[in-house]
Amino acid sequence: QVQLQESGPGLVKPSETLSLTCSVSGVSLTNYYWSWVRQPPGKGLEWIGYIFYSGATKYNPSLENRVAISVDTTRNEFSLNLRSVTAADTAVYYCARHPTVTTSYFHNWGQGSLVTVSS
Amino acid sequence: SYELTQPPSVSVSPGQTASITCSGDKLGDKYAYWYQQKPGQSPVAVIYQDNKRPSGIPERFSGSNSGNTATLTISGTQTMDEAHYYCQAWDSGTVVFGGGTKVTVL
Repeated sequence: QVQLQESGPGLVKPSETLSLTCSVSGVSLTNYYWSWVRQPPGKGLEWIGYIFYSGATKYNPSLENRVAISVDTTRNEFSLNLRSVTAADTAVYYCARHPTVTTSYFHNWGQGSLVTVSS
Repeated sequence: SYELTQPPSVSVSPGQTASITCSGDKLGDKYAYWYQQKPGQSPVAVIYQDNKRPSGIPERFSGSNSGNTATLTISGTQTMDEAHYYCQAWDSGTVVFGGGTKVTVL
């Protein structure tokens, strides 16, 4: 059974860096794509970016100047760093798995991690 | 940037059919995906590649996609189908979500 679990600080100060990790169990990171998706309270879904197990990445153009996604295949986890955060980055952050790009959907999702940006 | 537009809300009576639209430029040339999200839960895919159902998704969920509009249809809607529904497409290798539609069953 594939399980994804987000972890990281629930509170981040403005202008600092938001860092989250997604731990994956039940499947190897190898040969899959791994995305981050966020959802501000009461609002819709926004895709942040994905990483392939090889390290190749693709980011949402609206965030790509602040975001970095990395992968650690030895620990079977991948991470999100979002720099220079503001209150607008307050959201539930989900990690998700998809087998391919352009032709697949998000097969598995984490439970989500609420990150609040506030001083 | 590519945009997908959904109606904010749809209401349906139990047992009736709910139709949720998702509009985007030449969306019919891409695959459309649909997710259901209930309060406090993570999204779950209900339709992929326009009209396919993932394992475990009831047959009352169906989809179509042509021209500029994709449609998610829930036939014989049940109270358990009350949720937000999001359409999704891929554009130039990036993921785009629609704004979401709240389906109310009453």
